[in-house]
Formats: sequence, structure tokens, C-alpha cells
Amino acid sequence: QVQLVESGGGVVQPGGSLRLSCAASGFTFSSYGMHWVRQAPGKGLEWVAFIRYDGSNKYYADSVKDRFTISRDNSKNMLYLQMNSLRAEDTAVYYCAKVGPSGEYFQHWGQGTLVIVSS
Amino acid sequence: DIQMTQSPSTLSASVGDRVTITCRASQSISSWLAWYQQKAGKAPKLLIYKASSLESGVPSRFSGSGSGTEFILTISSLQPDDFATYYCQQYNSYPLTFGGGTKVEIK
Repeated sequence: QVQLVESGGGVVQPGGSLRLSCAASGFTFSSYGMHWVRQAPGKGLEWVAFIRYDGSNKYYADSVKDRFTISRDNSKNMLYLQMNSLRAEDTAVYYCAKVGPSGEYFQHWGQGTLVIVSS
Repeated sequence: DIQMTQSPSTLSASVGDRVTITCRASQSISSWLAWYQQKAGKAPKLLIYKASSLESGVPSRFSGSGSGTEFILTISSLQPDDFATYYCQQYNSYPLTFGGGTKVEIK
């Protein structure tokens, strides 16, 4: 079965950096686009970034553009999110999610990793 | 950006009730809409994609309808496991956007 396991969250000071990882298993990782989605404490869901199955296309939310970078290593079945210039408003649970077979909705989700940006 | 508006934001209902949640898009998204269920402290779970297609393993009491700008999620007979928050999401164009959520509470 599909399994997505995020890691790399933690507490970081404003202006700092963090790299999140998502280990994928149970499907042919190199055939599917992947997303990052976040949820601030007590708030709704916010899409963050998308990467095409082969890494050829990437899209970002305006709120993270030029600060966050999504990437993948298909040889390791790994998805990444490099987060730079972190702000308090980036505090959230970050989920990786696999696209569906018929569209770029979020068919499978990881359990999430918490990022806290605080001094 | 396409804005997604859900109503109501909170809904109080009893076990066995028929429940409907509405999602409106600020412009046409054809049928590129998904619905998710989220329980406290857990990741969201896909219920419906392409407006009305039921995800494998999701109970048939859940159904979706609509196209263009107006969509509805229906739970035909609310079960104890269904008390949760529900989100709609458009995938017609980037940036992908979610509705604000509808919390279904016990009446």
C-alpha cells in the first residue's frame, strides 16, 4: 500500500532554513507528481508546491515563491522541500501528498511533520 | 487565483441525518473538484474526485455532484465516524486552492 513518511520538521528561528523529506513507498514513485500541503495550527489547508513526476515542472504558492524549493530524487523515492528565509507564518504541519491517477488532486497523504518558526 | 467558498462553516447534525455541504468556485472549474475529510490530529483523506467520483474504499453514503462553479457533498445518512471537517479543493489551475472547511458536529 502507498506509504508517505515525512521528516525534518522542528523548531527554527525566523530567517532560518529547514529541509523536509518525504519517503515514498508502495507505488512507482517516478511515475507520479507530488505535492507539499501545509496546515497552520487551527487553520485550514494550504497548497504549497508541486513537482511533476520527472521534475521537469514545478509550481509554488505565492506565499512561498522564491523562498521554498521542491525537489525529488526518483532513484531514492524521496521528495524534498527546502525552506529558506522562514517566517512565523510558515509555522504549520507540512504534508507530502501523491497526485491521483486522473488529476492533480491529493490521493494519498503522509502523516505530516510540524515546523515551528519562533525565536 | 480561484477562490473556493464553502458553506456552512459549521454544521450540527444527528446520526442518521442527511447532510449537504456546498462549495462555490469564483470561476468555472469544470469538474476538477475534490472533497476531503479530516479528523483532529490526522491527515486529510480523499473522499471524492472529479466532482462525483467516489475514491476506492470510501463508503457509498458519500456522494458528490455539480460542475462549473457550484458543487455539493452529500452524506446520505450521517454515521458516528463522519463527525469531522470537510474541505473542497479545485485542481483546475494553479495555484491549487481549498475551501475554508466545514466542521460537522454532533447535535
